Amino acid sequence: GQNIDQPTEMTATEGAIVQINCTYQTSGFNGLFWYQQHAGEAPTFLSYNVLDGLEEKGRFSSFLSRSKGYSYLLLKELQMKDSASYLCAVTDSNYQLIWGAGTKLIIKP
Amino acid sequence: TAGITQAPTSQILAAGRSMTLRCTQDMRHNAMYWYRQDLGLGLRLIHYSNTAGTTGKGEVPDGYSVSRANTDDFPLTLASAVPSQTSVYFCASQPSGNTGELFFGEGSRLTVL
Repeated sequence: GQNIDQPTEMTATEGAIVQINCTYQTSGFNGLFWYQQHAGEAPTFLSYNVLDGLEEKGRFSSFLSRSKGYSYLLLKELQMKDSASYLCAVTDSNYQLIWGAGTKLIIKP
Repeated sequence: TAGITQAPTSQILAAGRSMTLRCTQDMRHNAMYWYRQDLGLGLRLIHYSNTAGTTGKGEVPDGYSVSRANTDDFPLTLASAVPSQTSVYFCASQPSGNTGELFFGEGSRLTVL
């Protein structure tokens, strides 16, 4: 079966750095997405990786290793507004999106 | 720009009643999707449409139907609601070809009693 694994919940301190990991087992691979979802709101796009390596976008970076079936989202200089769930999703060989259950990130002052 | 609009925002429905969740996008995206999101689970695909006039079943299609008469609209119908269909429903669109980011509506919270 196809599976996306992420930690259920993480806690970090304002101003610090946090890394949210995602591992996947899918039938084929055509890209990996990270979305942010604040409580009670819709998911919003953060990043997309299709090749190995690091993609940096401001305070957020996303890394992909296709051989390891692994990605992480790195958030720097954490702000209280970063408290949200972070969803990892993989596009499989049929171009269907497989979603992880999400990681709830709690930021403490 | 409106983007993608869902209605209603929330609804309480008696079991056995029918309900249509509306979804409209003004971005001229070809692909549209309906997901349900339940606590502790990832987004689960109910139905999808790659282009106007075509629809397909997702992971959890039972009890739901969709239509795609034109590019902009993608309604989701529950013919006879059951309590297990209590969930938050998200409509999403994608420019084309099953690639690229998804744009989500704000969600419809449905409670079936």
